[in-house]
Amino acid sequence: EIVLTQSPGTLSLSPGERATLSCRASQRVFSNYLAWYQQRPGQPPRLLIYGASSRATGIPDRFSGSGSGTDFTLTISRVEPEDFAVYFCQKYGSSPPNTFGQGTKLEIK
Amino acid sequence: EVQLVQSGAEVKKTGESLKISCEGSGYRFHNYWIGWVRQMPGKGLEWMGIIWPGDSDTRYSPSFQGQVTISVDKSINTAYLQWSSLKASDTAMYFCARHKDVDSSNYYFAYWGQGTLVTVSS
Repeated sequence: EIVLTQSPGTLSLSPGERATLSCRASQRVFSNYLAWYQQRPGQPPRLLIYGASSRATGIPDRFSGSGSGTDFTLTISRVEPEDFAVYFCQKYGSSPPNTFGQGTKLEIK
Repeated sequence: EVQLVQSGAEVKKTGESLKISCEGSGYRFHNYWIGWVRQMPGKGLEWMGIIWPGDSDTRYSPSFQGQVTISVDKSINTAYLQWSSLKASDTAMYFCARHKDVDSSNYYFAYWGQGTLVTVSS
């Protein structure tokens, strides 16, 4: 079972700053099948990125994903007030379990 | 429009049984994997398992195998998550979610239900 470790646990930034979130896998992620989700309080998660770098429908272009193999990154170029939330990475594919990372909380500084 | 609508919040006692539901609409229900995700209070997301409504093929996370049962009634486009004997540690929000499409390259959760809060007390 692949274990995903996200860092940092909490990221404190001001609106307009750049956010860099990391997701490291214990084994190579097949075909870079790595997704990122955003979860605001009281809401279900929302898909942001799939295939490590492809934005989901309707996601603003300030969100970008990169990486391959075992190291992946979610970048928010300029954080907007509505971006303060918790972010999860997930490996997916035909070999379950399709585990999630433990999450990174992006909070207002 | 794809929609997943989950049953309402539940308050149960330890040792009781429970079955929560997730009704899909706006797509061909039996052609997409549906999964369940647990979120304990203040914690992260845990992948529990998935089911293919067409033939009820089910895959569980080792952490949840034997602890819960995932099932489906494709005649009413509904997936279920059930417990035979609840524990206090089952207290959590449970989400159902659907894969983007049938190709394994798209086995991420593109669509989510609103969540069902299960509270178990002694």
